[in-house]
Amino acid sequence: DTAVSQTPKYLVTQMGNDKSIKCEQNLGHDTMYWYKQDSKKFLKIMFSYNNKELIINETVPNRFSPKSPDKAHLNLHINSLELGDSAVYFCASSQPNGELFFGEGSRLTVL
Amino acid sequence: GIQVEQSPPDLILQEGANSTLRCNFSDSVNNLQWFHQNPWGQLINLFYIPSGTKQNGRLSATTVATERYSLLYISSSQTTDSGVYFCAVDLFTGGGNKLTFGTGTQLKVEL
Repeated sequence: DTAVSQTPKYLVTQMGNDKSIKCEQNLGHDTMYWYKQDSKKFLKIMFSYNNKELIINETVPNRFSPKSPDKAHLNLHINSLELGDSAVYFCASSQPNGELFFGEGSRLTVL
Repeated sequence: GIQVEQSPPDLILQEGANSTLRCNFSDSVNNLQWFHQNPWGQLINLFYIPSGTKQNGRLSATTVATERYSLLYISSSQTTDSGVYFCAVDLFTGGGNKLTFGTGTQLKVEL
């Protein structure tokens, strides 16, 4: 039983393309997140949704558009991909106290 | 924003050795977590520990919130403990949970 699952695990694409990553959690949490881990392994929050509403947007370029169809799902769509978007993107969800649980990550490589 | 510093940045241990990882943070927090990122990239939640002491098998953690630091103890280390250990904290000012991560301690356990 995977608690936070994301697909696909790997994406390889050309600059300028559009790609999406899907995330689902079966923990019953109200809050979901997208984090980005760069090549130096630094982790930074991108977005947070609480019960389908956007509550945190960390000045991410508007080429990145998250969508939460319901509180168990949070998808990430990226338009016009750039080389600097290459990273590992982690979905997460949290309990009301903020305790965070991560998905397995989606490694995006832009060529 | 809040600063999170972890030490040491790198650590090599012989299997069976004990170690202590440290996390210092610059402000009062209401959430502190330790994560292990294994060599396959998975981020595993080790402890939710905004204060006090917890133990889980060979791992234990202590947070002294008034002095703004947390310690992660690894006893009788095994090769499977290798990976990066992250400390992450959250101020929770009411704008949603937003964990700020340290830069991690890279641990390698050798036979």
